[in-house]
Amino acid sequence: NAGVTQTPKFQVLKTGQSMTLQCAQDMNHEYMSWYRQDPGMGLRLIHYSVGAGITDQGEVPNGYNVSRSTTEDFPLRLLSAAPSQTSVYFCASSSLAGGYEQYFGPGTRLTVT
Amino acid sequence: QQQVKQSPQSLIVQKGGISIINCAYENTAFDYFPWYQQFPGKGPALLIAIRPDVSEKKEGRFTISFNKSAKQFSLHIMDSQPGDSATYFCAAKRGTDKLIFGTGTRLQVFP
Repeated sequence: NAGVTQTPKFQVLKTGQSMTLQCAQDMNHEYMSWYRQDPGMGLRLIHYSVGAGITDQGEVPNGYNVSRSTTEDFPLRLLSAAPSQTSVYFCASSSLAGGYEQYFGPGTRLTVT
Repeated sequence: QQQVKQSPQSLIVQKGGISIINCAYENTAFDYFPWYQQFPGKGPALLIAIRPDVSEKKEGRFTISFNKSAKQFSLHIMDSQPGDSATYFCAAKRGTDKLIFGTGTRLQVFP
């Protein structure tokens, strides 16, 4: 099992550019989520999904879009990048039936100039 | 109501000492309280978790103490080692609701 994988590991964008952060898991988990991590702010939930075709907003959803067409994949789209979106992004997954442990990916460090 | 407050923001401990990180919550409906450990450049990973029907849970050198009446829980790391140097996050959730994280504590253990 690869667990939760994320690509790319690093990305630099210019203000206004768009991009997609990829996330995939091979554990057949129903629940997937995206967090951003900023110094002193902890992990803040951006969007989450409880299954294919179902997504919902978290604490800080503005400027981000998600979709869940398959159980395995949960991409995060930045529509028009802003410097305030400079952060480290983590994808996580968990089983709704098998307990509450969330498995995190290795993260994507994004810089918007 | 949804907030989880974590302290201190950073902690420096001598090797062999005890590291203590505290968290407080407001929502009495929370029923699951995990601690996550994050090493530099890595994603967080579950370290230990507790439910409110017990007051303490121990796994090796790591112990969660839970005080339901005070709405507080803490992580104790006994005999702290340099390899424990990491950022620690407390969290809480209710049922299948979203996991709410604290702001994190950066622990440095010096030899």
